[in-house]
Amino acid sequence: DTAVSQTPKYLVTQMGNDKSIKCEQNLGHDTMYWYKQDSKKFLKIMFSYNNKELIINETVPNRFSPKSPDKAHLNLHINSLELGDSAVYFCASSQRTGYVWDTEAFFGQGTRLTVV
Amino acid sequence: DAKTTQPNSMESNEEEPVHLPCNHSTISGTDYIHWYRQLPSQGPEYVIHGLTSNVNNRMASLAIAEDRKSSTLILHRATLRDAAVYYCILPRGGGGTSYGKLTFGQGTILTVHP
Repeated sequence: DTAVSQTPKYLVTQMGNDKSIKCEQNLGHDTMYWYKQDSKKFLKIMFSYNNKELIINETVPNRFSPKSPDKAHLNLHINSLELGDSAVYFCASSQRTGYVWDTEAFFGQGTRLTVV
Repeated sequence: DAKTTQPNSMESNEEEPVHLPCNHSTISGTDYIHWYRQLPSQGPEYVIHGLTSNVNNRMASLAIAEDRKSSTLILHRATLRDAAVYYCILPRGGGGTSYGKLTFGQGTILTVHP
């Protein structure tokens, strides 16, 4: 079984559309993340959720709205898609860290979003 | 996260050992040193992490300098499958009402020649 799975793997859509990317983890982790990797290959954290609550929002435009129906799922909804949203989006999960980060994070295979 | 410095790229031959360096001179006493890698068209994957002592697992070894200001990821026998971007990260921990974050830098692009 895949530990962190995302769907779809590829998404091509027109500017102005609204789209969603789904993520599920079967590791029993309580923290999930969304990362964006742009064309220059920089991986940047967007959001983090712990037990369905938003805990990190890295000044992402409010067209991006994550939703966590339960702690095993973290979906990403994007409104009014723009050309600049084209990127690969990765979902990840881990156990919540304490004062030190002594755990490993697991990443999904990514969703390549192309806005035309 | 504490800053890390890695070479932009390195090359190796197949079946030879590879030593990937990372400098982290501003590391704090409680920062763990983590390594992740990203194979082409894949999500990042965990490789290894450690605090003070050298660490070994089935994928690699992590050698940590005594002053902890640098570390080296060692792939004992590189294969073509090891060609990837390797990230050295010192994640910020959480605690209390704050939460940790895993921040990726530029990483080192490892090319493995047959």
